[in-house]
Amino acid sequence: GENVEQHPSTLSVQEGDSAVIKCTYSDSASNYFPWYKQELGKGPQLIIDIRSNVGEKKDQRIAVTLNKTAKHFSLHITETQPEDSAVYFCAASLTGGTSCGKLTFGQGTILTVHP
Amino acid sequence: DAGITQSPRHKVTETGTPVTLRCHQTENHRYMYWYRQDPGHGLRLIHYSYGVKDTDKGEVSDGYSVSRSKTEDFLLTLESATSSQTSVYFCAISEYADNEQFFGPGTRLTVL
Repeated sequence: GENVEQHPSTLSVQEGDSAVIKCTYSDSASNYFPWYKQELGKGPQLIIDIRSNVGEKKDQRIAVTLNKTAKHFSLHITETQPEDSAVYFCAASLTGGTSCGKLTFGQGTILTVHP
Repeated sequence: DAGITQSPRHKVTETGTPVTLRCHQTENHRYMYWYRQDPGHGLRLIHYSYGVKDTDKGEVSDGYSVSRSKTEDFLLTLESATSSQTSVYFCAISEYADNEQFFGPGTRLTVL
């Protein structure tokens, strides 16, 4: 089955700096890569996703890049703010057919943004 | 926020007792999922459903069973709880298989 590795496990930055979280996946057939943000005591919430036919996607201060050849994808947060502090999870999935959208998650990154 | 509720939100039980967690949605989404979250493991899929009475196993299904008798409810049952099942359990829903999954608030289960 799919295996997703996420690094780093913790990341501490100063407000205004950029933050980068990286994930690798093992199944070359995976074609959907979402990123979730989880705040304390809440369920994960989707912040951005990318599909395999796209190399990069941006939404304001958040961007995701995908390298299918190397089987890795990254989350980039620019101009970080204290409210970006949370746990971030990457995930991978094979969509289409009978896959039913089963997500395999990375281990998570605790991001702390210091004012 | 997507209309997903989980009950109970917290539960403490003893080893060997049966436990049922409920996920209820008001979005009429076809797909429903149960995950468990443990430190160092992220979220792992336990079981999922792709329609009423249609369910299948996920990555960590041993010791768990599920049922979905109507679109809005997805039940997760631990037939005989063990300490290794102490975890936070999240339900998620999705309208389509390749779409965003919306997560519920979670249930914290402690098995003593």
